[in-house]
Amino acid sequence: AQRVTQPEKLLSVFKGAPVELKCNYSYSGSPELFWYVQYSRQRLQLLLRHISRESIKGFTADLNKGETSFHLKKPFAQEEDSAMYYCALGNLIFGKGTKLSVKP
Amino acid sequence: DSGVTQTPKHLITATGQRVTLRCSPRSGDLSVYWYQQSLDQGLQFLIQYYNGEERAKGNILERFSAQQFPDLHSELNLSSLELGDSALYFCASSARAGHQDEQFFGPGTRLTVL
Repeated sequence: AQRVTQPEKLLSVFKGAPVELKCNYSYSGSPELFWYVQYSRQRLQLLLRHISRESIKGFTADLNKGETSFHLKKPFAQEEDSAMYYCALGNLIFGKGTKLSVKP
Repeated sequence: DSGVTQTPKHLITATGQRVTLRCSPRSGDLSVYWYQQSLDQGLQFLIQYYNGEERAKGNILERFSAQQFPDLHSELNLSSLELGDSALYFCASSARAGHQDEQFFGPGTRLTVL
């Protein structure tokens, strides 16, 4: 069955610290993976997708097929990164989300 | 506003009732997706329409139905409502039928069933 797991409900880091939001997926084929973000009082929006291999707002995510993971990373967290982050498989299967809180 | 719009913003109703949620996609987008977000749950995909036709189906209950009209707006009908149907219902749109395109989300409709 297709599934996305985000093991952390809440992740709290200090400003300037590295951050990694975990995402593991279950899928037998070649996955298409996405990260969406929802800032306070804003709509859910695309942050990045693995096929474009871009860095958005300093975030990157690498697809690891061996570990079936697509973790989201940023070397130095900023307060404005505080938001809900959702990992999505095939743009239809979403994880439950991780709330990132960046403290000053 | 050329983004995805959803009406109403809030809806409070009683068990056993029927409601209709409305979504207008982003200008030019042909696909509409419906999601349910309950307390402590992620986004659960319900159904997708592309250019008026059902394209993909998720965990949508038989009490729920949807359609997409010729002007591409979509409606999600929820009937015989139960307390557990209380949730945030999101609509999203994308340009094409496939699932590799960026989805643009609406602000959601918060449904409360009393």
